[in-house]
Amino acid sequence: AQSVSQHNHHVILSEAASLELGCNYSYGGTVNLFWYVQYPGQHLQLLLKYFSGDPLVKGIKGFEAEFIKSKFSFNLRKPSVQWSDTAEYFCAVNANNAGNMLTFGGGTRLMVKP
Amino acid sequence: NAGVMQNPRHLVRRRGQEARLRCSPMKGHSHVYWYRQLPEEGLKFMVYLQKENIIDESGMPKERFSAEFPKEGPSILRIQQVVRGDSAAYFCASSTDREVQPQHFGDGTRLSIL
Repeated sequence: AQSVSQHNHHVILSEAASLELGCNYSYGGTVNLFWYVQYPGQHLQLLLKYFSGDPLVKGIKGFEAEFIKSKFSFNLRKPSVQWSDTAEYFCAVNANNAGNMLTFGGGTRLMVKP
Repeated sequence: NAGVMQNPRHLVRRRGQEARLRCSPMKGHSHVYWYRQLPEEGLKFMVYLQKENIIDESGMPKERFSAEFPKEGPSILRIQQVVRGDSAAYFCASSTDREVQPQHFGDGTRLSIL
């Protein structure tokens, strides 16, 4: 069965610092990859997705992620965080033999200090 | 979010009672997914439904849990004879007819068992 690991459970940064959140998955076949963000008290919102093509994916709010197939990774990055980026971030994977089911990582809570 | 609507937002039940969680997908979406998020954990897939059909229920507990998505009306996740361990946030997501589309999430129902 596929699994998704987010190694950083809690991250604290100051405004303008650069962000990288790790995401690794365990599945050898074709995958579709997603990052979702959940702001306090709100629903999950899609930040970006990768289905195929350019492995460097641009998302909303200045986020990007890079799919490195050899490393089974899909790390999320942002060059300069803002206080409003304080939220929980979830990486999710859909394997091509798993129907439409998403497998989520455990989430990373990001706190940005003003 | 003019999208996926879940109600109630919060539900409190005593052990042994029944819990019914409702989900109305986004307009034009005919695929519904239910996920459960236990405290301090990521979302775990439970069930995937289309209108009047259960497509994948591999994540559903074998007993006490059931889901439906009738031809008319919202999708219902039903938990009979609730126990303390059922306390969690239950999220519904929906997508269009096309496979492997990003899923759009509702605000979730937070179920507390006394």
